[in-house]
Amino acid sequence: NAGVTQTPKFQVLKTGQSMTLQCAQDMNHEYMSWYRQDPGMGLRLIHYSVGAGITDQGEVPNGYNVSRSTTEDFPLRLLSAAPSQTSVYFCASSPTAGNRNTIYFGEGSWLTVV
Amino acid sequence: QKEVEQDPGPLSVPEGAIVSLNCTYSNSAFQYFMWYRQYSRKGPELLMYTYSSGNKEDGRFTAQVDKSSKYISLFIRDSQPSDSATYLCAMSGSNYKLTFGKGTLLTVNP
Repeated sequence: NAGVTQTPKFQVLKTGQSMTLQCAQDMNHEYMSWYRQDPGMGLRLIHYSVGAGITDQGEVPNGYNVSRSTTEDFPLRLLSAAPSQTSVYFCASSPTAGNRNTIYFGEGSWLTVV
Repeated sequence: QKEVEQDPGPLSVPEGAIVSLNCTYSNSAFQYFMWYRQYSRKGPELLMYTYSSGNKEDGRFTAQVDKSSKYISLFIRDSQPSDSATYLCAMSGSNYKLTFGKGTLLTVNP
C-alpha cells in the first residue's frame, strides 16, 4: 500500500547543479502536483498535471520543469539549482483534478542548495 | 492582502482543552474548504473537507465555514498530545488549484 512515493528524502546540491525529484503513485490517479513548503509561506503550487501528457504551471514554476509520460510518474526537474530553491518539496495526487477531498501527499523531499 | 491568512501560532494548550484554529480569505470564488494536519517531517493529510457554508463534524473535530464573513474554523474537542501538529487550511474555487494558509503549529501538553 505505497500511495505516493517520493525520492530522494534528503538531498544537498551545489548551486548550478541539476537534479530530478521523483514522484510515483500506485493508485491510478489522473491528477498529480508538486508543491514547495517554506517557513512562513505555506504550501505553494509549482506544477500540476491532469493526466499523462498534460502539464501546466502553478504559482511558482520558474526554475522547474515537469513531464508526465505515464500515469504513475511525475518527476520534478531542477535545471540549475539556486539557493532560493532550498525547500521541502511535496508531491500530491488525486483521482481527478476535481477530487479535492481525496488528495494524497507524499512524505516530502528535503532539498538544500549551497 | 494575501488570499488566505492563517495565524502561525505557535499555540500551546493543556490536554483536554478545546482548540480553535482559524483562517480568513479574500477570494469570494472559494467554494471548497479543507483542513490538513501535518506531523513533523511528514506530508499533509486531509482532516476535514467542507463544500460551501456550514458545519461538519467528525469525532472530536468540527469544521465551520462562514462564507459571508470569509472565515473558516476548525475546533478540536478534548485535545490529545497526539493532536500536536501543524494544521493547514486550504481552499479552492472552480479551478483545480489549492491555496494554503501558512499553517498553525499546535502543541498539546500532557
